[in-house]
Amino acid sequence: DGGITQSPKYLFRKEGQNVTLSCEQNLNHDAMYWYRQDPGQGLRLIYYSQIVNDFQKGDIAEGYSVSREKKESFPLTVTSAQKNPTAFYLCASKQGDVADTQYFGPGTRLTVL
Amino acid sequence: QKEVEQNSGPLSVPEGAIASLNCTYSDRVSQSFFWYRQYSGKSPELIMSIYSNGDKEDGRFTAQLNKASQYVSLLIRDSQPSDSATYLCAAENAGNNRKLIWGLGTSLAVNP
Repeated sequence: DGGITQSPKYLFRKEGQNVTLSCEQNLNHDAMYWYRQDPGQGLRLIYYSQIVNDFQKGDIAEGYSVSREKKESFPLTVTSAQKNPTAFYLCASKQGDVADTQYFGPGTRLTVL
Repeated sequence: QKEVEQNSGPLSVPEGAIASLNCTYSDRVSQSFFWYRQYSGKSPELIMSIYSNGDKEDGRFTAQLNKASQYVSLLIRDSQPSDSATYLCAAENAGNNRKLIWGLGTSLAVNP
């Protein structure tokens, strides 16, 4: 059963804590993306990776970190430096070619207590 | 001008009517466009992609691309209450980084 999985579905973080959101895909896609979505707003790109062991900052990378050690995995860490982390986090992947479609995981809803 | 712009709505149509969603774009995007549907609390799912000028039909959905006027639209025929969602327009960045540029979405309500 191919697809993109994200875990956990819901995550609660205390002030000052780092948390890591998981994203795994078995679609053999080259590129992976992390987005943040706030209520009533569009998708904002945090980080993306086009190949293993390489990634680039998106539009709102401050307070976040990523790694891409394996093709199928692209975890996102929300650090304590991210002052307003409560949001819906979406992971996406696509085959590496131009104009290919991005497919999304089910998302992780992060709430800061 | 923003790179990809959508009317936020809400757009309200009666059941069975045609819903028309529009998206305009700037010169900074390429010629690959995508329409996604997002239900409240869920992740976006692809409805259609369009790359060539003209119309592309898939069931009740038709995407239209007009490069001269720099707009792309999505028509939903025979609208159903289950079509009530936010529709996101996205365009591929004109550079080589393969990022998508997203509109803020249009909220559609189909009333029974």
